[in-house]
Amino acid sequence: NAGVTQTPKFQVLKTGQSMTLQCAQDMNHNSMYWYRQDPGMGLRLIYYSASEGTTDKGEVPNGYNVSRLNKREFSLRLESAAPSQTSVYFCASSEEGWGLLSGYGYTFGSGTRLTVV
Amino acid sequence: GESVGLHLPTLSVQEGDNSIINCAYSNSASDYFIWYKQESGKGPQFIIDIRSNMDKRQGQRVTVLLNKTVKHLSLQIAATQPGDSAVYFCAEKLAGNKLTFGGGTRVLVKP
Repeated sequence: NAGVTQTPKFQVLKTGQSMTLQCAQDMNHNSMYWYRQDPGMGLRLIYYSASEGTTDKGEVPNGYNVSRLNKREFSLRLESAAPSQTSVYFCASSEEGWGLLSGYGYTFGSGTRLTVV
Repeated sequence: GESVGLHLPTLSVQEGDNSIINCAYSNSASDYFIWYKQESGKGPQFIIDIRSNMDKRQGQRVTVLLNKTVKHLSLQIAATQPGDSAVYFCAEKLAGNKLTFGGGTRVLVKP
């Protein structure tokens, strides 16, 4: 089925460990995003990529890096995990020019639940 | 257990009643708004959207109202069903394609 696929679904890390969260979309969308979701705080943008080859910081980029590997894939890396990075991470993608027509917007993956101990 | 939404405002509604979820947005320059529904363990799903040149838009059992004067958005769900139990987020589109999300409201439907 078309959509956004995230792996892994669950992960437990020790403080200081590194890992990469993977995201792939098969809708030929130009823009991709990484959000984190914490209790009572909604979704906060970590990084985004408006098109292949470009990445930009969002609201909470510290402690993360991203790679837009190709049009389909956008990965999020934690170089040295900290307990404050315990969260649920969502990847999303969107069409270029969305918002001009109704029904467009972001398509979200099902999330990666990360715990840092 | 669920780690998302533990401290969210909660709306309890009787099955069959109408629900109204409110959202205050931050930027008067926002030109597009979306409501998302998030069920436990899943990512947000699109419900309905509205552009800033409109003040009302209707979908299937849902209506979004936009009041730009007070920067307020609401989602009305008619004849609320058990499957409507979820966390609802509003989002506004600022510069470029980026969305900014509100904190969310949990809706609990009582049988």
